[in-house]
Amino acid sequence: DAGITQSPRHKVTETGTPVTLRCHQTENHRYMYWYRQDPGHGLRLIHYSYGVKDTDKGEVSDGYSVSRSKTEDFLLTLESATSSQTSVYFCAISEIAGSYEQYFGPGTRLTVT
Amino acid sequence: GESVGLHLPTLSVQEGDNSIINCAYSNSASDYFIWYKQESGKGPQFIIDIRSNMDKRQGQRVTVLLNKTVKHLSLQIAATQPGDSAVYFCAETSGGNQFYFGTGTSLTVIP
Repeated sequence: DAGITQSPRHKVTETGTPVTLRCHQTENHRYMYWYRQDPGHGLRLIHYSYGVKDTDKGEVSDGYSVSRSKTEDFLLTLESATSSQTSVYFCAISEIAGSYEQYFGPGTRLTVT
Repeated sequence: GESVGLHLPTLSVQEGDNSIINCAYSNSASDYFIWYKQESGKGPQFIIDIRSNMDKRQGQRVTVLLNKTVKHLSLQIAATQPGDSAVYFCAETSGGNQFYFGTGTSLTVIP
């Protein structure tokens, strides 16, 4: 998985609790992305980062926030988890803007009860 | 909004046969297309890409065809092997960091 790790790999949490997912890369790639994958939907972009402390919203950003304080780490936070955020979350990295070859992490399966 | 779809949710092929997986898109401004392979429990893996100024591109055992007139692309896998069993999906972008992904076709290779 191209030097990308995600933690935790599985998590069950209750509605209303905060949750933070971590993506860590060892490739020194500039761009990092968070996607969610749900049945009946393709991967959907939540947020992405184009550098340390530089982030932007994706297609489905409501209810999520992100932070990137170091090149290698990109955090996704659900401030108050809802059942609709039950999903598999993937982190991806790429070297250059418009370099469409993204490398994906192994995913985090999140269940909100 | 964008929509990227796949014609069939499942496809079964005999080992050694060729596989064809199709994808339709709706945004005529899309200028870059990608095919990914996703094995069970893993993240997507890049297979091949094609720019809108091309209509065909070949890789190792894979070929992508792009028909901009009907907004359709296909992935052809030659001599399909059991290791090719996975979900395949297309993605497109009209530039920038917003990518739109299809829902996927599950390919099963029968030994």
